[in-house]
Amino acid sequence: KQEVTQIPAALSVPEGENLVLNCSFTDSAIYNLQWFRQDPGKGLTSLLLIQSSQREQTSGRLNASLDKSSGRSTLYIAASQPGDSATYLCAVKEYGGSQGNLIFGKGTKLSVKP
Amino acid sequence: DADVTQTPRNRITKTGKRIMLECSQTKGHDRMYWYRQDPGLGLQLIYYSFDVKDINKGEISDGYSVSRQAQAKFSLSLESAIPNQTALYFCATSDFRQGVEAFFGQGTRLTVV
Repeated sequence: KQEVTQIPAALSVPEGENLVLNCSFTDSAIYNLQWFRQDPGKGLTSLLLIQSSQREQTSGRLNASLDKSSGRSTLYIAASQPGDSATYLCAVKEYGGSQGNLIFGKGTKLSVKP
Repeated sequence: DADVTQTPRNRITKTGKRIMLECSQTKGHDRMYWYRQDPGLGLQLIYYSFDVKDINKGEISDGYSVSRQAQAKFSLSLESAIPNQTALYFCATSDFRQGVEAFFGQGTRLTVV
Protein backbone atom coordinates (compact mmCIF):
# COMPACT_ATOMS: atom_id res chain seq x y z
CA LYS A 1 0.00 0.00 0.00
CA GLN A 2 1.37 3.37 -1.01
CA GLU A 3 2.19 5.70 1.86
CA VAL A 4 3.20 9.33 1.51
CA THR A 5 5.05 11.15 4.29
CA GLN A 6 5.84 14.83 4.57
CA ILE A 7 8.52 16.23 6.82
CA PRO A 8 8.45 18.53 8.69
CA ALA A 9 4.82 18.77 9.76
CA ALA A 10 5.29 22.48 10.46
CA LEU A 11 7.93 25.04 9.62
CA SER A 12 8.38 28.67 10.59
CA VAL A 13 10.93 30.85 8.80
CA PRO A 14 11.73 34.55 8.52
CA GLU A 15 10.81 36.36 5.35
CA GLY A 16 13.40 36.10 2.59
CA GLU A 17 14.72 32.70 3.57
CA ASN A 18 15.02 29.87 1.05
CA LEU A 19 13.40 26.66 2.23
CA VAL A 20 12.85 23.03 1.31
CA LEU A 21 9.82 20.88 1.98
CA ASN A 22 10.18 17.12 1.80
CA CYS A 23 7.89 14.38 0.55
CA SER A 24 8.63 10.65 0.52
CA PHE A 25 6.63 7.74 -0.87
CA THR A 26 6.97 4.00 -0.41
CA ASP A 27 6.10 2.64 -3.88
CA SER A 28 8.02 4.02 -6.84
CA ALA A 29 5.37 2.86 -9.33
CA ILE A 30 3.75 6.25 -9.79
CA TYR A 31 2.36 8.17 -12.74
CA ASN A 32 3.23 11.54 -11.37
CA LEU A 33 3.65 13.61 -8.23
CA GLN A 34 1.82 16.84 -7.60
CA TRP A 35 2.42 19.60 -5.08
CA PHE A 36 -0.56 21.57 -3.79
CA ARG A 37 -1.07 24.61 -1.62
CA GLN A 38 -3.99 24.87 0.78
CA ASP A 39 -4.99 28.02 2.63
CA PRO A 40 -6.96 27.57 5.87
CA GLY A 41 -10.47 26.25 5.22
CA LYS A 42 -9.99 26.49 1.48
CA GLY A 43 -9.53 24.13 -1.42
CA LEU A 44 -6.30 22.81 -2.88
CA THR A 45 -4.46 24.77 -5.53
CA SER A 46 -2.08 22.88 -7.78
CA LEU A 47 1.45 24.29 -7.76
CA LEU A 48 3.55 21.87 -9.78
CA LEU A 49 3.17 18.47 -11.39
CA ILE A 50 6.16 16.24 -12.14
CA GLN A 51 5.63 13.29 -14.44
CA SER A 52 7.36 10.04 -13.50
CA SER A 53 9.84 10.48 -16.36
CA GLN A 54 10.84 13.97 -15.24
CA ARG A 55 13.34 15.06 -12.62
CA GLU A 56 12.11 18.57 -11.84
CA GLN A 57 9.65 21.32 -12.62
CA THR A 58 9.88 25.05 -12.00
CA SER A 59 7.31 27.78 -11.64
CA GLY A 60 8.47 31.21 -10.55
CA ARG A 61 10.08 30.92 -7.10
CA LEU A 62 9.08 27.26 -6.81
CA ASN A 63 11.13 24.27 -7.90
CA ALA A 64 10.05 20.68 -7.37
CA SER A 65 12.31 17.70 -7.85
CA LEU A 66 11.54 14.00 -8.10
CA ASP A 67 13.79 11.02 -7.43
CA LYS A 68 11.58 8.02 -8.11
CA SER A 69 14.20 5.43 -7.28
CA SER A 70 14.60 6.74 -3.74
CA GLY A 71 10.94 7.64 -3.36
CA ARG A 72 11.54 11.32 -2.67
CA SER A 73 10.43 14.72 -3.84
CA THR A 74 11.36 18.17 -2.62
CA LEU A 75 9.68 21.52 -3.04
CA TYR A 76 12.12 24.41 -2.94
CA ILE A 77 10.75 27.89 -2.27
CA ALA A 78 13.13 30.74 -2.94
CA ALA A 79 13.03 34.08 -1.16
CA SER A 80 10.00 33.21 0.95
CA GLN A 81 7.27 35.79 1.54
CA PRO A 82 4.51 36.07 4.16
CA GLY A 83 2.01 35.30 1.39
CA ASP A 84 3.61 31.86 1.06
CA SER A 85 2.18 30.93 4.46
CA ALA A 86 -0.10 27.96 3.88
CA THR A 87 -0.14 24.18 4.12
CA TYR A 88 1.72 22.40 1.34
CA LEU A 89 0.61 18.93 0.33
CA CYS A 90 2.21 16.43 -1.98
CA ALA A 91 0.29 13.66 -3.69
CA VAL A 92 1.34 10.74 -5.87
CA LYS A 93 -0.83 9.41 -8.64
CA GLU A 94 -0.75 5.63 -8.43
CA TYR A 95 0.24 3.46 -11.35
CA GLY A 96 -0.75 0.03 -10.15
CA GLY A 97 -4.07 -1.54 -9.16
CA SER A 98 -5.76 1.73 -8.24
CA GLN A 99 -4.71 3.53 -11.37
CA GLY A 100 -5.10 7.22 -11.20
CA ASN A 101 -5.76 7.51 -7.49
CA LEU A 102 -4.07 10.33 -5.65
CA ILE A 103 -2.48 9.43 -2.34
CA PHE A 104 -1.71 12.42 -0.13
CA GLY A 105 0.75 13.21 2.56
CA LYS A 106 -0.51 15.02 5.65
CA GLY A 107 1.13 18.27 4.62
CA THR A 108 3.66 20.76 5.91
CA LYS A 109 2.25 23.89 7.49
CA LEU A 110 4.50 26.80 6.54
CA SER A 111 4.57 30.11 8.35
CA VAL A 112 6.69 32.93 6.93
CA LYS A 113 7.25 35.73 9.44
CA PRO A 114 7.60 39.33 8.25
CA ASP B 1 -16.76 29.72 -13.49
CA ALA B 2 -14.71 27.35 -11.41
CA ASP B 3 -13.44 24.16 -13.01
CA VAL B 4 -14.79 22.06 -10.14
CA THR B 5 -17.85 23.29 -8.26
CA GLN B 6 -19.12 21.88 -5.01
CA THR B 7 -22.48 22.58 -3.43
CA PRO B 8 -23.28 23.40 -0.73
CA ARG B 9 -20.17 25.15 0.62
CA ASN B 10 -21.32 24.84 4.20
CA ARG B 11 -23.95 22.64 5.79
CA ILE B 12 -25.11 21.90 9.30
CA THR B 13 -27.30 18.85 9.69
CA LYS B 14 -28.68 16.72 12.48
CA THR B 15 -27.67 13.21 13.41
CA GLY B 16 -29.63 10.63 11.41
CA LYS B 17 -30.47 12.90 8.51
CA ARG B 18 -29.65 12.01 4.91
CA ILE B 19 -27.55 14.58 3.12
CA MET B 20 -26.16 14.89 -0.39
CA LEU B 21 -23.09 16.81 -1.47
CA GLU B 22 -22.84 17.64 -5.15
CA CYS B 23 -19.91 18.13 -7.47
CA SER B 24 -19.75 19.21 -11.08
CA GLN B 25 -16.76 19.79 -13.35
CA THR B 26 -16.03 21.51 -16.62
CA LYS B 27 -12.60 19.96 -17.18
CA GLY B 28 -13.89 17.07 -19.29
CA HIS B 29 -12.01 14.63 -17.07
CA ASP B 30 -13.19 11.05 -16.85
CA ARG B 31 -12.13 10.49 -13.25
CA MET B 32 -13.76 12.02 -10.21
CA TYR B 33 -13.02 11.59 -6.52
CA TRP B 34 -14.43 12.39 -3.12
CA TYR B 35 -12.03 13.05 -0.26
CA ARG B 36 -12.53 13.84 3.37
CA GLN B 37 -10.12 16.04 5.32
CA ASP B 38 -9.81 15.99 9.09
CA PRO B 39 -7.25 17.96 11.11
CA GLY B 40 -4.10 15.90 11.54
CA LEU B 41 -5.29 13.09 9.29
CA GLY B 42 -4.77 14.59 5.88
CA LEU B 43 -6.97 13.75 2.91
CA GLN B 44 -8.63 10.35 2.86
CA LEU B 45 -10.25 8.87 -0.23
CA ILE B 46 -13.93 7.99 0.19
CA TYR B 47 -14.98 6.94 -3.32
CA TYR B 48 -13.65 7.28 -6.84
CA SER B 49 -15.13 6.87 -10.28
CA PHE B 50 -13.25 6.20 -13.51
CA ASP B 51 -16.34 6.73 -15.65
CA VAL B 52 -20.10 6.73 -15.31
CA LYS B 53 -20.28 2.94 -15.00
CA ASP B 54 -17.18 2.43 -12.88
CA ILE B 55 -17.41 3.37 -9.19
CA ASN B 56 -15.04 2.14 -6.53
CA LYS B 57 -14.71 2.34 -2.78
CA GLY B 58 -11.81 4.20 -1.28
CA GLU B 59 -10.22 3.70 2.12
CA ILE B 60 -13.10 5.10 4.21
CA SER B 61 -16.34 4.37 2.32
CA ASP B 62 -18.44 3.06 5.24
CA GLY B 63 -21.45 5.31 5.86
CA TYR B 64 -21.17 6.95 2.43
CA SER B 65 -22.57 6.28 -1.03
CA VAL B 66 -22.03 7.97 -4.37
CA SER B 67 -23.73 8.47 -7.69
CA ARG B 68 -22.10 9.38 -11.01
CA GLN B 69 -25.02 10.93 -12.83
CA ALA B 70 -22.96 12.02 -15.83
CA GLN B 71 -19.33 12.42 -16.75
CA ALA B 72 -19.43 15.89 -15.22
CA LYS B 73 -21.40 15.14 -12.05
CA PHE B 74 -20.50 13.08 -9.00
CA SER B 75 -22.51 13.28 -5.79
CA LEU B 76 -21.73 11.98 -2.31
CA SER B 77 -24.47 10.94 0.11
CA LEU B 78 -24.43 10.35 3.81
CA GLU B 79 -27.34 7.98 4.34
CA SER B 80 -27.66 8.63 8.07
CA ALA B 81 -25.28 11.34 9.22
CA ILE B 82 -23.35 10.91 12.46
CA PRO B 83 -21.22 13.46 14.34
CA ASN B 84 -17.89 11.85 13.42
CA GLN B 85 -18.66 12.60 9.78
CA THR B 86 -18.13 16.26 10.58
CA ALA B 87 -15.29 17.23 8.26
CA LEU B 88 -14.23 19.16 5.17
CA TYR B 89 -15.18 17.28 2.00
CA PHE B 90 -13.45 17.76 -1.34
CA CYS B 91 -14.31 16.68 -4.83
CA ALA B 92 -11.51 16.30 -7.38
CA THR B 93 -11.10 15.43 -11.04
CA SER B 94 -8.32 14.02 -13.14
CA ASP B 95 -7.75 11.54 -15.92
CA PHE B 96 -5.46 8.62 -16.65
CA ARG B 97 -2.81 10.57 -18.53
CA GLN B 98 0.48 11.07 -16.82
CA GLY B 99 0.74 14.78 -17.42
CA VAL B 100 -2.75 15.74 -16.27
CA GLU B 101 -3.10 17.63 -13.04
CA ALA B 102 -5.80 16.91 -10.52
CA PHE B 103 -8.19 19.78 -9.84
CA PHE B 104 -10.06 20.27 -6.60
CA GLY B 105 -13.26 22.00 -5.66
CA GLN B 106 -13.38 24.58 -2.89
CA GLY B 107 -14.72 22.09 -0.40
CA THR B 108 -17.89 21.56 1.62
CA ARG B 109 -17.69 22.09 5.36
CA LEU B 110 -20.15 19.66 6.91
CA THR B 111 -21.13 19.74 10.56
CA VAL B 112 -23.30 17.00 12.02
CA VAL B 113 -24.87 17.92 15.37
